[in-house]
Amino acid sequence: QLVLTQSPSASASLGASVNLTCTLTSRHSTYATYAIAWHQQRPETGPRYLMRLDSDGSHTNGDGIPDRFSGSSSGAERYLTISSLRSEDEADYYCQTWATGIVIFGGGTKLTVL
Amino acid sequence: QVTLRESGPALVRPTQTLTLTCTFSGFSLSTRGLCVSWIRQPPGKALEFLARIDWDDAKYYKTSLQTRVTISKDTSKNQVVLTMTNMDPVDTATYYCARVVSGLYPLIDDWGQGTRVTVSP
Repeated sequence: QLVLTQSPSASASLGASVNLTCTLTSRHSTYATYAIAWHQQRPETGPRYLMRLDSDGSHTNGDGIPDRFSGSSSGAERYLTISSLRSEDEADYYCQTWATGIVIFGGGTKLTVL
Repeated sequence: QVTLRESGPALVRPTQTLTLTCTFSGFSLSTRGLCVSWIRQPPGKALEFLARIDWDDAKYYKTSLQTRVTISKDTSKNQVVLTMTNMDPVDTATYYCARVVSGLYPLIDDWGQGTRVTVSP
């Protein structure tokens, strides 16, 4: 049973950078090699795909996603870094991968921009 | 450009069957490696996977819902249909369809805007 764990909340100041974490947890160590996707959900809107993030830290941003959004990996941890924070970055951020054919989501992190 | 759009009733009575349609453009579900998933989000809660259908008609369901949910596709119409039987107020949620790119790690790379469904007498 693969579980994606995210902190419920995070906050950072306008113009600063923030790192959000998604931890892959399973009895099977092979899950540490899994790629994930990061998705952003602004208030009262649907989710938006941000990027694909591989276990080696390489990432590919979705169409129109600025370079302020980047990803990195370390073992079973996947990170989303948002730099030069803007007010419109205030949103819920979800990590997503798969297991036995089904899509799995983390519980989401609510980012507050101060 | 990939687009997905959900459609269906906004209000459903308890015990009724919900039918939602995802109409998409910019890709074909006959293309190897492409899939469509249905995901829902109850008010104030996280995203929850419901079902997935692949280019080769393989289907996957959330285990706890697989007796109530059916997913199907009409490749010629670029549509994927989700039916959910025996609706209950706890099924009140915004329902999204999303494109999934399969391969070693199936990942969602496009979302519809969602359709809100309320289950109420």
